[in-house]
Parts: sequence; C-alpha cells; structure tokens
Amino acid sequence: DAGVIQSPRHEVTEMGQEVTLRCKPISGHDYLFWYRQTMMRGLELLIYFNNNVPIDDSGMPEDRFSAKMPNASFSTLKIQPSEPRDSAVYFCASSPPGHFTGELFFGEGSRLTVL
Amino acid sequence: KQEVTQIPAALSVPEGENLVLNCSFTDSAIYNLQWFRQDPGKGLTSLLLIQSSQREQTSGRLNASLDKSSGRSTLYIAASQPGDSATYLCAVREMDSSYKLIFGSGTRLLVRP
Repeated sequence: DAGVIQSPRHEVTEMGQEVTLRCKPISGHDYLFWYRQTMMRGLELLIYFNNNVPIDDSGMPEDRFSAKMPNASFSTLKIQPSEPRDSAVYFCASSPPGHFTGELFFGEGSRLTVL
Repeated sequence: KQEVTQIPAALSVPEGENLVLNCSFTDSAIYNLQWFRQDPGKGLTSLLLIQSSQREQTSGRLNASLDKSSGRSTLYIAASQPGDSATYLCAVREMDSSYKLIFGSGTRLLVRP
C-alpha cells in the first residue's frame, strides 16, 4: 500500500518565483496536514484539511502561502512569491478517520531552496 | 501554550546498550502522544502511538510509556543496534479542537558499532 506521496522531492528556485508543492495522501485518510521543518524552528504545522475542507490555517506564515485540496487524493501548497527564508523541508501527512485518535503518516518531504 | 521538550538533544551509545529517550510536555490535557523516527533526508516514520488513557505501548524492541499527570513520556530501546541511529521525535495531540500535533525538537541518536 502506497504511503503519502510528495513531489517534487527537491526544488531550487530563485527569489520571487512561484513554487507549487504537491501531495497525495494515503487512500481512505480524510485528514491532511502540511508541515514545515527548519533547523531553527523544528516542525511547524502550516495548515490542515478534513474531508478536503481547510480547518485551521493559523500556521500559514503570510499571504504568500496558500493551500488547496480539490479532492480527497490531491493537495497543493503554493508559495508566491518565494523568498529565501521560505527555504525548508515541507512535509505532507495524512491521518485516518477518527476524531483525535488518528496516527499520523508522513511523506518523504519536499526540500525547497530559494536563492 | 503547550511546549514539548526532549532531553538529551543528542546521544551516542555503543551497540547493545539499552537506552531511554525522554519527552516532557507542559500541559497534561492531551489526547495522545506519538513517537516518530526520522532518518536524514527522510520523512517521519511513526513508531508508537499512546492514547491518554494508556500507560505504555510496545513494538518489538521499543517500549513507550506515558505519565500524563506529570507530563512525561519515555521511549525505551532495548539492545540498541547501529540501524537505530536516527532522530527520534515525540509529539502530543492537544485536547482542543485544533487537532494539532505539537512536536519536540528531537533527540539525535547514534549507536556505535
């Protein structure tokens, strides 16, 4: 059974460019999370969805970040315009149905470098 | 505000040793606690999930305990192997409507052959 799939695995871009990260959650999971990991701040929750609906986006750093989940098997995290301080590893995770009891399953991450 | 602390930040042990990783959290109102392993350049792999009503969970050589009242969890690794070398993170799920996992900063473990 496939796990959480993220693409691209690595992205190098220049400041000001648009970046789109993609995620396919585990089939049957109805919670999807976007996390960011940096050395300085560790793992931070950016946004999460339940049944394709954004529930809490309070962790999204600013208006340059946006996330969508058009269907149960696909989500995107977009940064426009990108800045060097956005350089980090972005993880997508999904969780099975079950209020507050679900185990979290992570993808391999997308390493973003903004020059 | 919930804070999760992991001590030590790094640990180096010889192969075969039993070891304990510590995790503490400031607010005992949690639904559950989860231990993860992260290998360099990789995502997080779930090791054990302990519900707030449970005291411990075991999987192979791993045993995780939870003392919610004191805000502590430990991950015990028996007979450590070089393949156990990784960063271990604990995370708590807060008992509010946010469904958020709050992560500790991790313990980087090196098991020397």
